Amino acid sequence: AQKVTQAQTEISVVEKEDVTLDCVYETRDTTYYLFWYKQPPSGELVFLIRRNSFDEQNEISGRYSWNFQKSTSSFNFTITASQVVDSAVYFCALSEDNDMRFGAGTRLTVKP
Amino acid sequence: AAGVIQSPRHLIKEKRETATLKCYPIPRHDTVYWYQQGPGQDPQFLISFYEKMQSDKGSIPDRFSAQQFSDYHSELNMSSLELGDSALYFCASSLERADGTIYFGEGSWLTVV
Repeated sequence: AQKVTQAQTEISVVEKEDVTLDCVYETRDTTYYLFWYKQPPSGELVFLIRRNSFDEQNEISGRYSWNFQKSTSSFNFTITASQVVDSAVYFCALSEDNDMRFGAGTRLTVKP
Repeated sequence: AAGVIQSPRHLIKEKRETATLKCYPIPRHDTVYWYQQGPGQDPQFLISFYEKMQSDKGSIPDRFSAQQFSDYHSELNMSSLELGDSALYFCASSLERADGTIYFGEGSWLTVV
């Protein structure tokens, strides 16, 4: 079965700092999808990005960027110039055949 | 755009009672998922349906059951509730032959007292 590891349980930064959230995954499938979700204190899961296993292009969306490296089975997420509103739990997830499993999540606190 | 709709958003039940959560997937999505997220935990997969048939089963207790109806909405039934069932329950939906993105509802908070 697939497995997702988010080694960082909690990260605390000061506003405007850059922060990288790590995600390492394990899978035997060659076709899979990787996701990042944001869970603010209100509880909903907000979809941030999806990447399929054949697309290793890095992506930038505003202050967010993602670095997908199959060689190291990693899909790291960087927030540039962090803001207080970025404070949330961030989950990395791996989906094979529509079977999605989450990492344990990283709680990010951005202090003013 | 329409999202996944879950109801109720909050529910309080006593031990040994029964609870039913409802989910309305994004229109035209053919796959529905249920996840349970305990306090401080990551979401755990319970069960999924594809075209109204159960397609995959995760760590769903025997006290729980789910089904998907002809209009594609789904219900999660939980009986003989225990304190440990208190959690945030997510429903999600996707389109099987699309890009693999699974969209989550806002969740239903169940508190068992």
